[in-house]
Amino acid sequence: DAKTTQPPSMDCAEGRAANLPCNHSTISGNEYVYWYRQIHSQGPQYIIHGLKNNETNEMASLIITEDRKSSTLILPHATLRDTAVYYCIVRVPGSGSARQLTFGSGTQLTVLP
Amino acid sequence: SAVISQKPSRDICQRGTSLTIQCQVDSQVTMMFWYRQQPGQSLTLIATANQGSEATYESGFVIDKFPISRPNLTFSTLTVSNMSPEDSSIYLCSVGTGYETQYFGPGTRLLVL
Repeated sequence: DAKTTQPPSMDCAEGRAANLPCNHSTISGNEYVYWYRQIHSQGPQYIIHGLKNNETNEMASLIITEDRKSSTLILPHATLRDTAVYYCIVRVPGSGSARQLTFGSGTQLTVLP
Repeated sequence: SAVISQKPSRDICQRGTSLTIQCQVDSQVTMMFWYRQQPGQSLTLIATANQGSEATYESGFVIDKFPISRPNLTFSTLTVSNMSPEDSSIYLCSVGTGYETQYFGPGTRLLVL
C-alpha cells in the first residue's frame, strides 16, 4: 500500500467547509483512496473512497487530482460533531474480499464554535 | 453496513492475567480483523481472523500472546494473554462486508495494572 502524508492537525469554524489534504505521491494505478475518521473513544468510521473521479456522498466529497498524487476530503458544512482524527488510506482492494487497513497518523480536525 | 458489538467495553486487569474480548456481527461476513490502538497512537493490525483455520498474524504479534478464535462467520474472540501494563490499549474488531470498506466495533478499553 502506498504511503500517505497528512497534516497532523487542522482547525475549522463551525458551518464552514473543512478541507483535509492528503499526499500520496507513490500511488499506483490500481490503488484507491479511502477516508476514515475516528471520533474520540469510538471505532473508526468509513467516510468515502475513490479511484480517480471525484466522489460525493451524504457525508463528504472526495477530490482526487488528475495525476492522483494527492486528494482532498471536503466536509461541506462542518459541525462540532465532525471533530475527529481523519485517516487517508491508499490501498488496492482485495480480490473479492476486504483486506486489512494500514492506518497512518491522520489529521486531528477540530471544529470550533 | 454491519453492526458490530464488542464485550467487554472496558476492563481493568492485573498483570499476569488474561482477558478474552468478544466481537459479534449482526450478519455473516467474510473477513474479520483485530486491531490495537495504544494511547495516543494510530491503529495497528494484530491479525486477520480466519473462519475455520488459524488466524494470520502481523509482524510483531504471535499466537501465544494473542490467541484468536473464529468459530463462525459472525463471531470472533481475541485473548490478551499474560498481560503487562504495555498491553493497555484499545482493542478493535473490524469486518469487511465487501472488498472496499470496513466497519469497526466500538472497541474494548483495557487497562493493565
